Amino acid sequence: RKEVEQDPGPFNVPEGATVAFNCTYSNSASQSFFWYRQDCRKEPKLLMSVYSSGNEDGRFTAQLNRASQYISLLIRDSKLSDSATYLCVVQSGGSYIPTFGRGTSLIVHP
Amino acid sequence: EPEVTQTPSHQVTQMGQEVILRCVPISNHLYFYWYRQILGQKVEFLVSFYNNEISEKSEIFDDQFSVERPDGSNFTLKIRSTKLEDSAMYFCASRGRGTDSYEQYFGPGTRLTVT
Repeated sequence: RKEVEQDPGPFNVPEGATVAFNCTYSNSASQSFFWYRQDCRKEPKLLMSVYSSGNEDGRFTAQLNRASQYISLLIRDSKLSDSATYLCVVQSGGSYIPTFGRGTSLIVHP
Repeated sequence: EPEVTQTPSHQVTQMGQEVILRCVPISNHLYFYWYRQILGQKVEFLVSFYNNEISEKSEIFDDQFSVERPDGSNFTLKIRSTKLEDSAMYFCASRGRGTDSYEQYFGPGTRLTVT
């Protein structure tokens, strides 16, 4: 079983739509969770950390479900500039080594 | 805003040659990392470095790889004898210290092409 799994997509949505991605992880000892954004042939950029209580940053909301071992990212009012690959990143408590998912591709069209 | 920088942006080398990839982490960060991403695949951890020594490394990071922080600002990755399969983007990352600083900040990457 893969450690961090994401639906590769692509998710093709119109501007203004709401879109959600999920990411499942296999290591129940995982303690730190992040969403990164990666544009084509660029470096991953931290989008947001995912806290147990969930967190929101503008149009972006991240949630953690420890019981089911998944995290989610919700993007409201999608913009053309949101088009990118969204990477789920998970770290276990005993190690700071992050495990990356393969990413979910989002395409926002006019 | 402080950022991680990497040089060169693109390196082409012949199989069997040695390459050194350079990174300047964010100045007050203490933990440093190298990752690679083969085209179309996921980001893979190579090595982490703290207090002038390797703290963790992956199976990918074999004897052909080494890291150094020679002068307190640069952080380098050396591949002794490159193979075709080493062709990838190599990202350096750094992070601060403390429970609020698990986030890592990535450099723009070096595209390594081995021919």
